Amino acid sequence: GAVVSQHPSRVICKSGTSVKIECRSLDFQATTMFWYRQFPKQSLMLMATSNEGSKATYEQGVEKDKFLINHASLTLSTLTVTSAHPEDSSFYICSAPLSGTLETQYFGPGTRLLVL
Amino acid sequence: GENVEQHPSTLSVQEGDSAVIKCTYSDSASNYFPWYKQELGKRPQLIIDIRSNVGEKKDQRIAVTLNKTAKHFSLHITETQPEDSAVYFCAASTGGGNKLTFGTGTQLKVEL
Repeated sequence: GAVVSQHPSRVICKSGTSVKIECRSLDFQATTMFWYRQFPKQSLMLMATSNEGSKATYEQGVEKDKFLINHASLTLSTLTVTSAHPEDSSFYICSAPLSGTLETQYFGPGTRLLVL
Repeated sequence: GENVEQHPSTLSVQEGDSAVIKCTYSDSASNYFPWYKQELGKRPQLIIDIRSNVGEKKDQRIAVTLNKTAKHFSLHITETQPEDSAVYFCAASTGGGNKLTFGTGTQLKVEL
């Protein structure tokens, strides 16, 4: 099946710093990728849709200036958490739909962010 | 927008028994309904999916049923095994690589 990778797998940072998370589709091209956030024992909440070559589409309540998304190529999307605060500590997961199947989405392994 | 409700939030069964998880959705335009299994600290893994032109789909011990009129779909796991223990999420989408809306999750525990 399709493989999606994320880097880093976990990161610890100080409050006020910025953190960049990469999401890559390794064996397929993805014009669209999705970024989710998952708090402990909760569901996956969609943050934004990353569109290759254009601006990301953010879900209601997600600050676009705080969560910067760049989809510079057909295999890479990045999420930058700017001026991170402890409440941003969470599990961030990306996904990408496999072209041709139209619907099937494959998830990255996730990034555990801890803001001190 | 789409709203997906999932029940129960926790489910405990004996090994060998069946487990059923139910979801309802609100957007009649949704036509793709995947189910994901997530182990602690891991990525969600697709276990089965169904499209709106199908009422039921089965893959070995796992089956999914869809009732479009009532806007609900269910996951059925037969002959449960300890390795089935995980959190299961249903989701809905209007398809075409569009965004998924997830249910709240069901913690399934299969006891020996």
